[in-house]
Amino acid sequence: GAVVSQHPSRVICKSGTSVKIECRSLDFQATTMFWYRQFPKKSLMLMATSNEGSKATYEQGVEKDKFLINHASLTLSTLTVTSAHPEDSSFYICSASTSGRASDTQYFGPGTRLTVL
Amino acid sequence: AQKVTQAQTEISVVEKEDVTLDCVYETRDTTYYLFWYKQPPSGELVFLIRRNSFDEQNEISGRYSWNFQKSTSSFNFTITASQVVDSAVYFCALNSGGSNYKLTFGKGTLLTVNP
Repeated sequence: GAVVSQHPSRVICKSGTSVKIECRSLDFQATTMFWYRQFPKKSLMLMATSNEGSKATYEQGVEKDKFLINHASLTLSTLTVTSAHPEDSSFYICSASTSGRASDTQYFGPGTRLTVL
Repeated sequence: AQKVTQAQTEISVVEKEDVTLDCVYETRDTTYYLFWYKQPPSGELVFLIRRNSFDEQNEISGRYSWNFQKSTSSFNFTITASQVVDSAVYFCALNSGGSNYKLTFGKGTLLTVNP
């Protein structure tokens, strides 16, 4: 149980285009989903927390207009990187939690590797 | 403030050796939760264990075991008889109300198990 999928697994795009990444909880309902970014050989950096039906909460320094997050259902959250630039190239990972409480385990998706040319 | 320290950046062992990955945490909360995740080269973070602050019992799951000691604020992870498939980055993480219910990750330990 507790499977989270992400799509696409890899994406290469041209500078200036927008890219949408989907995160789905396949076998449980996720009230809360989290979006992380990971640079090579580094730990995970939380970008934002999304709760179903409400606006996402972004971490300090993360541009909300650039990284649009939508959590429209209990099983789906999307991250859209708008007007992508080469510096946005990174590994993006989502996680899902049933309620977002500290006691809840976050289950992670397989990640999406974004390369912006 | 929450903090998780994994002092070992990289560890290299030979197959069948036992290896312990260290994790030291800091928090002012009395109720908190500790986690270990494995990140193989494929990139996905695989959940290994969750432990709450009121349960100091050590846990064993196959070749994996965890030693939680509140007195030293440590939550160490031991792999017995390591295998090549254990090669991965291992992250220790902490969650509590003091972190606004966000996971605080350590920097990770890269474990390489050589045949």
